[in-house]
Amino acid sequence: DAGVTQSPTHLIKTRGQQVTLRCSPKSGHDTVSWYQQALGQGPQFIFQYYEEEERQRGNFPDRFSGHQFPNYSSELNVNALLLGDSALYLCASSLARLAADGTDTQYFGPGTRLTVL
Amino acid sequence: AQTVTQSQPEMSVQEAETVTLSCTYDTSESDYYLFWYKQPPSRQMILVIRQEAYKQQNATENRFSVNFQKAAKSFSLKISDSQLGDAAMYFCAFLNYGQNFVFGPGTRLSVLP
Repeated sequence: DAGVTQSPTHLIKTRGQQVTLRCSPKSGHDTVSWYQQALGQGPQFIFQYYEEEERQRGNFPDRFSGHQFPNYSSELNVNALLLGDSALYLCASSLARLAADGTDTQYFGPGTRLTVL
Repeated sequence: AQTVTQSQPEMSVQEAETVTLSCTYDTSESDYYLFWYKQPPSRQMILVIRQEAYKQQNATENRFSVNFQKAAKSFSLKISDSQLGDAAMYFCAFLNYGQNFVFGPGTRLSVLP
């Protein structure tokens, strides 16, 4: 049973560029959440996708956008990169019906390390 | 908004000894979940243990147990018989129904041989 996978592992971009990160959820999961983890800090929630729509969003600017595909995989896009966007980006998957009754547990991928120069 | 505080940026423990990591949180909700996640240098966030707020009994998973004090909004993690492989960042996290995780800043645990 494959867990959550993310690609690429590492990425280096320059300020102003755009980046796309990818995530495949754990088998059977239908919900994908994205988190930004700056160095030395805990993960911060960016947004969550379910049924190909953004269901919840954290306190992140519109430069951060996403997409979910019919196979439940997801992309995170960041436009006009800033130095402060350098971080580990984590994807987590879960099952929506479990979230509805409060038994939700999110499983995390290994992350994508983004460096903005 | 919910907040999670971990007041110990770093902790160390001797191999085979016991260590307790602290976590406090702030919420006005009565039903929620609390988690401890472990993040080793490989960066993979690994679920260690979870606690449902409506349960009075403290959760245990092998060498890991929690001390959940709902009134005090405290959720500490005890690791018994510490092993070298326990060395990692430990994050306390809060989950409200239908919401998303709020993580604390983490505690770096070192295990000394």
